[in-house]
Amino acid sequence: DQQVKQNSPSLSVQEGRISILNCDYTNSMFDYFLWYKKYPAEGPTFLISISSIKDKNEDGRFTVFLNKSAKHLSLHIVPSQPGDSAVYFCAAHNNNDMRFGAGTRLTVKP
Amino acid sequence: GAVVSQHPSRVICKSGTSVKIECRSLDFQATTMFWYRQFPKQSLMLMATSNEGSKATYEQGVEKDKFLINHASLTLSTLTVTSAHPEDSSFYICSATQGSGANVLTFGAGSRLTVL
Repeated sequence: DQQVKQNSPSLSVQEGRISILNCDYTNSMFDYFLWYKKYPAEGPTFLISISSIKDKNEDGRFTVFLNKSAKHLSLHIVPSQPGDSAVYFCAAHNNNDMRFGAGTRLTVKP
Repeated sequence: GAVVSQHPSRVICKSGTSVKIECRSLDFQATTMFWYRQFPKQSLMLMATSNEGSKATYEQGVEKDKFLINHASLTLSTLTVTSAHPEDSSFYICSATQGSGANVLTFGAGSRLTVL
């Protein structure tokens, strides 16, 4: 069962513009959400997270927004840089489980 | 789409016993599989990279004799936690790629190990 969905398999943006990656979930018991970034031939690395009690968390160029009523979160990258080109995974967590989305491939064009 | 099955999803064992976790790619051949460990609300930590038919490459700080990884076929990798102790209790996740040029990683659902 896909409790976490990333419906866009790919996204292409111009350097300097904003990248918005979306993630939807179905389980209202999730209490923590994370974004991972993965470069080719490497394991995913943690990027940013947000607790379910918050609606926004910002770290430099990266901001994650959480809309609990819509069961939706998004990752904003601004300004986007070519080095941001990677696959981004969202993940949802509760005390006993963690689920990952399928990933979105972001390409930032110079 | 590509599916990675991980089993068991939950396991409870006594201290000193060994536990095996399986990771299977169901509809593709996985030349590379990754094993991760995650503590609650913390980042996913890569433990090792497993290539079919060769020895796993372990990350720094991961005991290879403690966490035995076998990738005997293109669809199966196993992680054995040997002589488990309570501090080994964690969430273990595998993922797989389809080939040397593949960038998209398919994750298993994870296995929660509790060592009493």
